[in-house]
Parts: sequence; structure tokens; C-alpha cells
Amino acid sequence: KAGVTQTPRYLIKTRGQQVTLSCSPISGHRSVSWYQQTPGQGLQFLFEYFSETQRNKGNFPGRFSGRQFSNSRSEMNVSTLELGDSALYLCASSSDRFTGELFFGEGSRLTVL
Amino acid sequence: GESVGLHLPTLSVQEGDNSIINCAYSNSASDYFIWYKQESGKGPQFIIDIRSNMDKRQGQRVTVLLNKTVKHLSLQIAATQPGDSAVYFCAETKAAGNKLTFGGGTRVLVKP
Repeated sequence: KAGVTQTPRYLIKTRGQQVTLSCSPISGHRSVSWYQQTPGQGLQFLFEYFSETQRNKGNFPGRFSGRQFSNSRSEMNVSTLELGDSALYLCASSSDRFTGELFFGEGSRLTVL
Repeated sequence: GESVGLHLPTLSVQEGDNSIINCAYSNSASDYFIWYKQESGKGPQFIIDIRSNMDKRQGQRVTVLLNKTVKHLSLQIAATQPGDSAVYFCAETKAAGNKLTFGGGTRVLVKP
């Protein structure tokens, strides 16, 4: 069974630009969550989508947005990039039965210059 | 605000010894407490979880203990192996969606 796939793995942007990250969940998983990981703030929840609807949202500004498609694939977008947005963005999928077990991808490492 | 173990200490253990990783949490309303392991260059990997109505749960070489009185969670790893070297995160959540609050992590270094 293929794991969670995130693309691109690495990207460099400049301040003010926008970026779109993609996530393909494990087949059959309808929940996709996004997390930001930085050395200073650790792992922070961005949002979660379930069956194309945002089910939970973290405390990030509106520049951070996401969506989920009918095939459960998800994208997140960050507009007007700031230096502080440099981070590893992790996508995780899970089955419908809640257990706290998330399956994470390897992440997309974003560097903002 | 909610917080779960915001420090990143390092635990150095001898191969074969037992490891104990500790975590403090602040949200008494959380339903699940979970441990994740993150190896360099990889995403976090689920280890074990425990519901708030339990105080102990065992897995393969791992045991999680939950003390709700003092809001403390611990992960015990038996016979620590080199492959256990990683950063370990505790997390908490309510059973309504996958919004996890992660702790700051503990780095475990296994000495041969």
C-alpha cells in the first residue's frame, strides 16, 4: 500500500510570492491534515479536511489555505510569503475510525528568501 | 493556550537499556494521548496511543503511562536499539477530528 506522497519535496521562494503544496493520501483515507514544523515552534496544526470539507482549523493567518478534492488529494496554499513561513510542511492522512494514528508524508521543505 | 511539553531535551541511553521519555500536558479535556517517532528526513511515525480512561497501555517493546492527576505522559522503550534513535513527540487530541497538539519533542540518542 503506497504511503502519503507530498510534492514538491523541496522548494525555494522569495518573499511576497505564493506557493502550492500537494498531498496524496493513502488509498481509502478521507481525512487529510496539514502541519507546519519549525525548529522554534515545533509541530503546529494548520487544518484538516474530510470529504472535501474543512473539519478543523488551527491558529494560522488567512494567508494559509487548503482544499481537498473528491479523490481525497489535498493542496495547501500560502500567499504573500514571509521569511517566517520557511518550514517543513507535513501532510498526514488517516482512516475514518479515529484512533489518533496519523500517517505522515515526508514533507515539503519550503525556504523563503 | 493549550500546550504539550514544549521543551526539546536529549536523552542519551546505552544500547540494551530501557528508555523513559516524559511529557507534560495541559488540556484535561483531551481524549487521546499519542506518541510519535520522527527520524531524520522523515515524517513522524505513530508509535502508540492511550485513551484518557486508561492509565497504561503496552505495545511491542513500548509502554505508555498516563497520569491524569499530574497531567503526565511517559513512553517507556524496552531494550533500546540503535534504530530507536530519533526525536519522540507526545501529542494530545479530542476524539473529533485529527487536530493534534504536539509537544516540543525529545531527542533520543542510543550509544552502542
